[in-house]
Amino acid sequence: AQRVTQPEKLLSVFKGAPVELKCNYSYSGSPELFWYVQYSRQRLQLLLRHISRESIKGFTADLNKGETSFHLKKPFAQEEDSAMYYCALSPFSGGYNKLIFGAGTRLAVHP
Amino acid sequence: GAVVSQHPSRVICKSGTSVKIECRSLDFQATTMFWYRQFPKQSLMLMATSNEGSKATYEQGVEKDKFLINHASLTLSTLTVTSAHPEDSSFYICSASPWGAGGTINEQFFGPGTRLTVL
Repeated sequence: AQRVTQPEKLLSVFKGAPVELKCNYSYSGSPELFWYVQYSRQRLQLLLRHISRESIKGFTADLNKGETSFHLKKPFAQEEDSAMYYCALSPFSGGYNKLIFGAGTRLAVHP
Repeated sequence: GAVVSQHPSRVICKSGTSVKIECRSLDFQATTMFWYRQFPKQSLMLMATSNEGSKATYEQGVEKDKFLINHASLTLSTLTVTSAHPEDSSFYICSASPWGAGGTINEQFFGPGTRLTVL
């Protein structure tokens, strides 16, 4: 079964603290993994995807196939990072395919 | 670029009526559009995948006769909730995948969502 698990509903940190939002997946093939972010009163938008290997807004995520994880990390959280973060899996690489979302983690960064 | 709009943004209807929600890609052509449903404080649940010019593919448990999807052009997909009931009240979100320039393969651009309330 295809599944994305985000174990934390809420992650609360202080500004400047490191952040790690956990994501584990279950899929027998080679998935594409994504992190989407939803800021308050805004639509869902792509933050990063594993094949890009980019750092966006200071966030990075490494696909660990052995642990089937794709944790999102940032060394120093900022207040503007407060948002809802969704990890998502696309079952096939290439082409257009559906996204399976995790339950989401709300990140709250306090001053 | 890569903007997706939805109309209406919110709708209130009586039980038993049908409601149509439009999803448009404003500045790109979308061969594939997706419809999601989101309950309060929950994740997005994919309802169906809509390909231009062909029948939609529904996820398990989603009634295709209840949620009619039409993707008649490369910029428009519609979701019609037929004979709506209070349990259909939810936040419906569409997304679109562009073809060619303006987007990467598999990236989905999301609409702002439509809040449906069935009385």
